[in-house]
Amino acid sequence: SAVISQKPSRDICQRGTSLTIQCQVDSQVTMMFWYRQQPGQSLTLIATANQGSEATYESGFVIDKFPISRPNLTFSTLTVSNMSPEDSSIYLCSVAGTSTTDTQYFGPGTRLTVL
Amino acid sequence: SQQGEEDPQALSIQEGENATMNCSYKTSINNLQWYRQNSGRGLVHLILIRSNEREKHSGRLRVTLDTSKKSSSLLITASRAADTASYFCASSYTGRRALTFGSGTRLQVQP
Repeated sequence: SAVISQKPSRDICQRGTSLTIQCQVDSQVTMMFWYRQQPGQSLTLIATANQGSEATYESGFVIDKFPISRPNLTFSTLTVSNMSPEDSSIYLCSVAGTSTTDTQYFGPGTRLTVL
Repeated sequence: SQQGEEDPQALSIQEGENATMNCSYKTSINNLQWYRQNSGRGLVHLILIRSNEREKHSGRLRVTLDTSKKSSSLLITASRAADTASYFCASSYTGRRALTFGSGTRLQVQP
């Protein structure tokens, strides 16, 4: 199984600022995803991070608000831009292989609080 | 929304009892995965069941899948206080690699 780390593990930010979250995997992976978990809720997919090209965003999420980079097969970043209290959530990255039967593994998450 | 439903939303049982959680999804799937989350931390993968499988076991866990009803269940036998957590099912829909999560079940196991 893949070992995934995220930085920072938590942060408290001021309204209007931006935060970049890093996701590092210990091996090359085909698929990387970013999810959001709002307080008391389930997980919602933000986007698929594509290596070498623009991320694919889900309905309701836009690149200007959540820019994503994926420079190689082991690393990705998610930026939460111009934050508001509604962005307070846990942000999780996940990875999977090429097969549709592959397990999807999750990082430990970044707990973001926006004041 | 494509999000699946889970029931019950919350479940409280005594140690040693069995816990059953149910999940429904919306359309055809490649596989369905179950995860555990302790107190808002990261997700721990429990078990994956493929669309052509009907039942799978892993230790005290038993997962069933009924594709005709678009539903799955997770059974935890002989529960322990350490099983206290939120449990989520997540579907990999056909043609899509990302997961669509169910609403989750909060399990409380009383010692």
